[in-house]
Amino acid sequence: EVLLLDSGGGLAHPGGSLRVSCAASGFTFSSTAISWVRQAPGKGLEWVSAISGSGDGTYYTDSVKGRFTVSRDNSANTVYLQMNSLRAEDTAVYYCAKEIYSNPWGLNYFDYWGQGTLVTVSS
Amino acid sequence: QLVLTQSPSASASLGASVKLTCTLSSGHSNYAIAWHQQQPEKGPRYLMKLKSDGSHSKGDGIPDRFSGSSSGAERHLTISSLQSEDEADYYCQTWAAGIGWVFGGGTKLTVL
Repeated sequence: EVLLLDSGGGLAHPGGSLRVSCAASGFTFSSTAISWVRQAPGKGLEWVSAISGSGDGTYYTDSVKGRFTVSRDNSANTVYLQMNSLRAEDTAVYYCAKEIYSNPWGLNYFDYWGQGTLVTVSS
Repeated sequence: QLVLTQSPSASASLGASVKLTCTLSSGHSNYAIAWHQQQPEKGPRYLMKLKSDGSHSKGDGIPDRFSGSSSGAERHLTISSLQSEDEADYYCQTWAAGIGWVFGGGTKLTVL
């Protein structure tokens, strides 16, 4: 059974830092890319960051480039999102999601999701 | 620009059917998408992937009541025999090299 467990959310001040984690099980972790997707209160889903299975490839949406860093520890089956210089607009539930790429379909999509962890940025 | 457009809300009666639509932006009408369901206070759940020709493949444990179809730039999710637990937000999602992952704004489905 595939499981993704998000943790580490909490309250941070503007300009502060927080690290959220995603612990995974039930699939070959080291060969699977993982994304972070966030959802601001009352809003829709927004892709934030992705990391390849090896960790060599990392990707970010423009609004978090230079502030957020995604990493992974394949020995611990865990992905991390280090969030620095936090802003009020970063307030959201952060979900990790397991990526799968279907070559014949030309589609990279998410087939499993974590339960989410709430990050609140406020003074 | 790759954009997915969804109606903000939809409603249908218990036991009836409903068809939700996700429209791909101009120039991207042949893209495949994925549908995700988000029940209240829960994380999203993958429902299916859907191609431009209407062929689709569902995720683990997704009931037969959920099906997909396509027409031009439109990608449809049809839910038949609506149940109370189908009341949720439904998001379409696609991807393109160099652009990344894109979500529609979501449709809030109310089961009457």
